Amino acid sequence: GENVEQHPSTLSVQEGDSAVIKCTYSDSASNYFPWYKQELGKRPQLIIDIRSNVGEKKDQRIAVTLNKTAKHFSLHITETQPEDSAVYFCAARNSGTYKYIFGTGTRLKVLA
Amino acid sequence: DTGVSQDPRHKITKRGQNVTFRCDPISEHNRLYWYRQTLGQGPEFLTYFQNEAQLEKSRLLSDRFSAERPKGSFSTLEIQRTEQGDSAMYLCASSLGGLDHEQYFGPGTRLTVT
Repeated sequence: GENVEQHPSTLSVQEGDSAVIKCTYSDSASNYFPWYKQELGKRPQLIIDIRSNVGEKKDQRIAVTLNKTAKHFSLHITETQPEDSAVYFCAARNSGTYKYIFGTGTRLKVLA
Repeated sequence: DTGVSQDPRHKITKRGQNVTFRCDPISEHNRLYWYRQTLGQGPEFLTYFQNEAQLEKSRLLSDRFSAERPKGSFSTLEIQRTEQGDSAMYLCASSLGGLDHEQYFGPGTRLTVT
């Protein structure tokens, strides 16, 4: 069935370092991959997304890469700041539906 | 606030009782989604609507769960005969039509079944 695996479940980095979160999806028909940031007690908010016809997308300190062959996609955050501390979720959507299949989340802690 | 809103924000109920949650999407959004999120997990898809039509429902959703969107605007999610395993955050999201549109999430309703 549809599944998205996300690693690591927790990640601690020093302020200014980079953080990488990786996801693997099972449904080869998936064609859209959003990343959401959820701060404690708040709603998930989209931070970046990528479509299957693109291999990489960057927005300031955040980038996402996609390897369709391996069915992997990754979130890269550079020059991390304490306000980047949150739970990050990857998700995948296939072309035949509008629902998202979410990963289990990564709790990122940026240590000042 | 022009974002997605949900009511109530918190609900405590006894096992066996029925509960109903409401979601008001962003006004021009014709798609509405319900997800459930338990502690330490990502949101899990429950169902979605396009306008008033319920187009997909998770196979994991028991018959005790029902959702409606009668006029294609707000939606309600009802859980009958609640069980302790229903305790979770219930998230609503909405989006514009078409494939490539962001889902905007509401703040969620936290349900605790005692």
